[in-house]
Amino acid sequence: QLVLTQSPSASASLGASVKLTCTLSSGHSSYAIAWHQQQPEKGPRYLMKLNSDGSHNKGDGIPDRFSGSSSGAERYLTISSLQSEDEADYYCQTWGTGIRVFGGGTKLTVL
Amino acid sequence: EVQLVESGGGLVQPGGSLRLSCAASGFTFSSYWMTWVRQAPGKGLEWVANIKQDGSEKFYVDSVKARFTISRDNAKNSLYLQMNSLRAEDTAVYYCAREFGGGWYVFDYWGQGTLVTVSS
Repeated sequence: QLVLTQSPSASASLGASVKLTCTLSSGHSSYAIAWHQQQPEKGPRYLMKLNSDGSHNKGDGIPDRFSGSSSGAERYLTISSLQSEDEADYYCQTWGTGIRVFGGGTKLTVL
Repeated sequence: EVQLVESGGGLVQPGGSLRLSCAASGFTFSSYWMTWVRQAPGKGLEWVANIKQDGSEKFYVDSVKARFTISRDNAKNSLYLQMNSLRAEDTAVYYCAREFGGGWYVFDYWGQGTLVTVSS
């Protein structure tokens, strides 16, 4: 079964960097994903699509502070030079035949 | 500029029906898969249903099969979700989203959402 696993929460200080993780279920380690951001009381926003080899393409207007990488079944979102507006929920998303799957989301707190 | 604007949400009693709409602009609507995603209060995102460019293929999450129907009108650049036999657990903000295309079934544009509340 295709499942994406994310830690429920993460925190980092203003100006620091943070690396969020999305883990693909067994047998699905080659899958590509997307990362989405949801700021408080707002709709989701597409950040980037991320391949299994770490190559990624960001959405329109996404700052260079956001980057993606991959290792095995893990997909990462790194945010550098954290700003207060980066405090948000972050979701990874992938797909199977016909279906679309979200991870449970990681709530990022900027200290 | 790509825009997706949902409408049709509201308060409905359990067992009732509601039809959501999503008006698309700024892109060639007929060239993209489209999707509905929902978010229950305080919960994460849940994919609900999607539809191929010409409407020939549709897929649903198990919890809404036989109750919800996704459709589209390419002439009107509009996406719909007919929701029947609504339950309390269908209470959520419903978002429409465009799928990226080119073999990438990820969502690159989202609407602002419309709230559906199922309660007596």
